[in-house]
Amino acid sequence: GNSVTQMEGPVTLSEEAFLTINCTYTATGYPSLFWYVQYPGEGLQLLLKATKADDKGSNKGFEATYRKETTSFHLEKGSVQVSDSAVYFCAPPESGAGSYQLTFGKGTKLSVIP
Amino acid sequence: NAGVTQTPKFRVLKTGQSITLLCAQDMNHEYMYWYRQDPGMGLRLIHYSVGEGTTAKGEVPDGYNVSRLKKQNFLLGLESAAPSQTSVYFCAGGPLGTSEQYFGPGTRLTVT
Repeated sequence: GNSVTQMEGPVTLSEEAFLTINCTYTATGYPSLFWYVQYPGEGLQLLLKATKADDKGSNKGFEATYRKETTSFHLEKGSVQVSDSAVYFCAPPESGAGSYQLTFGKGTKLSVIP
Repeated sequence: NAGVTQTPKFRVLKTGQSITLLCAQDMNHEYMYWYRQDPGMGLRLIHYSVGEGTTAKGEVPDGYNVSRLKKQNFLLGLESAAPSQTSVYFCAGGPLGTSEQYFGPGTRLTVT
């Protein structure tokens, strides 16, 4: 199946700092790619997605570009806020025709301090 | 719409006891999934279903059983709970033909 390598945390940033969380994956073909966010005590929420190569997904000021050449889907935000403190998961799908499972990275915990 | 809901939110069991966790979705999703989340391990897939009446094993199925008798419900059973099954359990649903998934709020299960 596919595998995903996600930047290990924890990451601590000051408010308004620039954020990058790296994610690379192995996959066959060009599947849709996802980032999920988990706020403390909650379930995972879909943050953004990109459905084909060179697509840019964006939401809540976060962006990620589907780079097929480097099989990467790095998450970025230009100016983080305290409310962005959460755990972020990169999730490419499992390979195989008819498979609709996701492979989750171990998660990167982000803490933003005022 | 409530989305994906899970019952119960918390439970403490003694070793050997049984429990059924309920996942319900009102999004008409074809696919449903059960995961467990443990510190440092990320999310691991226990079982999943690609439609009413169907189930399949995921990465860590041992010690769990599932049933999907109705499209909107996906039940996860532990017949004889063990301390190693202490975890947070998440259910998710997803539409037909996509890997996109929508998660419930989780059930925190402790087995003593």
